[in-house]
Amino acid sequence: QPVLTQSPSASASLGASVKLTCTLSSGQITYAIAWHQQQAEKGPRFLMKVNRDGTHTKGDGIPDRFLGSSSGAERYLTISSVQSEDEGDYYCQTWGIAIPLVFGGGTKLTVL
Amino acid sequence: QVQLVQSGAEVKKPGSSVKVSCKLSGGTFNRYTISWVRQAPGQGLEWMGRIIPLLGKPDYAQKFQERVTLTADRSTSTAYMELSSLRSEDTAVFYCARLDEWEVPVLWGPGTLVIVSS
Repeated sequence: QPVLTQSPSASASLGASVKLTCTLSSGQITYAIAWHQQQAEKGPRFLMKVNRDGTHTKGDGIPDRFLGSSSGAERYLTISSVQSEDEGDYYCQTWGIAIPLVFGGGTKLTVL
Repeated sequence: QVQLVQSGAEVKKPGSSVKVSCKLSGGTFNRYTISWVRQAPGQGLEWMGRIIPLLGKPDYAQKFQERVTLTADRSTSTAYMELSSLRSEDTAVFYCARLDEWEVPVLWGPGTLVIVSS
């Protein structure tokens, strides 16, 4: 069963860029992942799926400043020109057998 | 606009059951997986189970196997999650999510808060 590791917190100044990381467990480094954003008091929102080769497929209406990439066991979400509405929790998610949807612990992004 | 509409917040006594609904407004209901995810206060996301309405056969996370029942009513495009033998630790927000053909959760509901308290 895959395990996803995320840093608990990150911060970025308004207008700056931030790169969030999701690390796959050693036996699953070829897995694709998905990124989901959860703003305060709201349900999650699908951002994109990121493949092992770094290609990504975004959800409807996701701005261009959200980009996905990949390197080895790590999958990244880069947010450029950070806005105040980007503040929230970001979860990566992959697919297992016994547990079809496996989530990382989430990264809380604070916009300064 | 395709969206998932969930039922309202509930307050339940320990030992009772709760049934949460998730209605797909617009879009295709039958063919795509509906998953249910729990989020305890201040915690992350935890998969509970899934159902494909066309097939009607659910499967569950082992943790919830004994207490959760997922169903789907194709005539109303509504999925249901029933959790029984509620305890205080079940206090959480429950989300439904519709997956696409590659099993990616691309559409989430707004969540239903269930509070279990005596």
